[in-house]
Amino acid sequence: EIVLTQYPGTLSLSPGERATLSCRASQSINGNYLAWHQQKPGQPPRLLIFGASNRATGIPDRFSGSGSGTDFILTISRLEPEDFAVYYCQQFYNSPPGFSFGQGTKLEIK
Amino acid sequence: EVQLVQSGGEVKKPGESLKISCKGSGYSFNGYWSAWVRQTPGKGLEWMGIIFPEDSRITYHPSFQGQVTISVDKSITTTYLQLTSLKASDTAIYYCARLGAVGGKEALDYWGQGTLVTVSS
Repeated sequence: EIVLTQYPGTLSLSPGERATLSCRASQSINGNYLAWHQQKPGQPPRLLIFGASNRATGIPDRFSGSGSGTDFILTISRLEPEDFAVYYCQQFYNSPPGFSFGQGTKLEIK
Repeated sequence: EVQLVQSGGEVKKPGESLKISCKGSGYSFNGYWSAWVRQTPGKGLEWMGIIFPEDSRITYHPSFQGQVTISVDKSITTTYLQLTSLKASDTAIYYCARLGAVGGKEALDYWGQGTLVTVSS
């Protein structure tokens, strides 16, 4: 099973700043199957990015994803108050189908 | 509008069983894989298993194989997660989620609201 490691565990920033969150896979993965989710307290996760770099429906363009192979990044260009949440990377794999999740990065207000 | 609506929270005693439901609507239910994911404070998000409603193909995560049962009732567009011999460590929020795909890029694109299960004597 591929292990996804996210860092940092906690990121403290102020509104208006740029956030860079990282997700490293234990082995090379197909970027088509790498996604990022945002979760706020008391809510289910919400898909932000799929296929490593594609924004999901309704996601603002301040969110962007990049990367390939073993290293993937989620960037929030200019933080809004509603962006402070926990972010998870997630990988889907085929044959047989399954998933793995990173342990999450908590983005908190500085 | 795609929606996944889960059954309500449950409080159970150790050793009891439980079945959680997840009703999908607003999409071609039979043609999308549906996953179950557990969330605990200590272990974060854990994928438990996934089912394809059209033919009931199921894959379980090895950690949950034999511990849970996933099923589907296509007639009411609902998937189920059954937990047996509950332990305190099964206390968690359980989510269902749809596996969507755009241009060959697959991800969990819609999530249910979650079902809180509390196991306590």
